[in-house]
Amino acid sequence: GAVVSQHPSWVICKSGTSVKIECRSLDFQATTMFWYRQFPKQSLMLMATSNEGSKATYEQGVEKDKFLINHASLTLSTLTVTSAHPEDSSFYICSARKRSFYSNQPQHFGDGTRLSIL
Amino acid sequence: DAKTTQPTSMDCAEGRAANLPCNHSTISGNEYVYWYRQIHSQGPQYIIHGLKNNETNEMASLIITEDRKSSTLILPHATLRDTAVYYCIVRVYSGGSNYKLTFGKGTLLTVNP
Repeated sequence: GAVVSQHPSWVICKSGTSVKIECRSLDFQATTMFWYRQFPKQSLMLMATSNEGSKATYEQGVEKDKFLINHASLTLSTLTVTSAHPEDSSFYICSARKRSFYSNQPQHFGDGTRLSIL
Repeated sequence: DAKTTQPTSMDCAEGRAANLPCNHSTISGNEYVYWYRQIHSQGPQYIIHGLKNNETNEMASLIITEDRKSSTLILPHATLRDTAVYYCIVRVYSGGSNYKLTFGKGTLLTVNP
């Protein structure tokens, strides 16, 4: 159980285009989803936390108008990178935490989306 | 900011136990310790978590010291597929009912044939 699916796995697009990444919890309901970014040879950096039906909370330094997050249901969150530029090229990873009475439920991660902007 | 300290890298022979240490000396009484691993070019995989008691599941065992200032993740019989970066994380409360995981640099475990 606790499978998180992320789509697409990789995408290459031209500078200036917008890219949407989907994150789905396949076998559980996720009240909270998280978006991370990872540059080569670096650790994961949290970008934002989103609760179903609420606006996302962005980490310091992350532009909310550039990285649009929608968490419209308990099983789906999307990240849209608007007007992407080469510096936005990175490995984007989503994570979801199961809806539960217990607050110590672990987060489960998708397999990531490798984004390359030309 | 990560609240844990881990060695940068470790080696282990295939078939032997891998013991990965983690220091979290500033941990508070109600904070959990989580362990994840990341194999190259994949998302992190949840391994185990604990508060103060030792924990065991099908993947690993987690030993937490009595003062909770450190813990050890044990992979009882390491295989080549266990080669990965292992992250020890103390979850941080971020308001409301939210918590977040802040990843440090982790330990690169290399299992050798």
